[in-house]
Amino acid sequence: GAVVSQHPSRVICKSGTSVKIECRSLDFQATTMFWYRQFPKQSLMLMATSNEGSKATYEQGVEKDKFLINHASLTLSTLTVTSAHPEDSSFYICSARRGMGNTEAFFGQGTRLTVV
Amino acid sequence: QKEVEQNSGPLSVPEGAIASLNCTYSDRVSQSFFWYRQYSGKSPELIMSIYSNGDKEDGRFTAQLNKASQYVSLLIRDSQPSDSATYLCAVEPNQAGTALIFGKGTTLSVSS
Repeated sequence: GAVVSQHPSRVICKSGTSVKIECRSLDFQATTMFWYRQFPKQSLMLMATSNEGSKATYEQGVEKDKFLINHASLTLSTLTVTSAHPEDSSFYICSARRGMGNTEAFFGQGTRLTVV
Repeated sequence: QKEVEQNSGPLSVPEGAIASLNCTYSDRVSQSFFWYRQYSGKSPELIMSIYSNGDKEDGRFTAQLNKASQYVSLLIRDSQPSDSATYLCAVEPNQAGTALIFGKGTTLSVSS
């Protein structure tokens, strides 16, 4: 299957700092990538849809100024958590689909963010 | 609001038994359906995709789709302790390029 690589897999940062998470599609071009957040023992929550060359589309309740998304190329999307707080500690996962329809979504390895 | 419903479980089966996981969806025009497995602390991995009514088999896994009933299921034969995980049902909404809609997942526990 297609490979989506996410980095870093784990990060610890201090409150008030920013953290950047990268998501790369390694063997296909992804015009659209998706960012999810998952709290322990809870379901995936879609945060935003990242569109190459245009602004991301955020889900209701997700602060666009706090979670900055940049999709600068067809293989790279980044999520920056700005001014992180302990409540931002979570498992962040990116996903990409190879085509526009009838295609599965492939997930990155996820990033465990801990804000202290 | 398009929804995907799953029983959260836990579903407990003994090793070697058949595990049956069920999922219903609300969007009648959905065409593509997927099952993902997620181990604790890991990201989801794709197990099966199904697009047509009927059964689709891949090794110990069989996906079943009934579009008239808006129902999709996953059967795991000869269940193994390593199958213990959360299984996520996902449905493609009728809009190209959008995110799959995920159910909350069913936790499966296979005891040896």
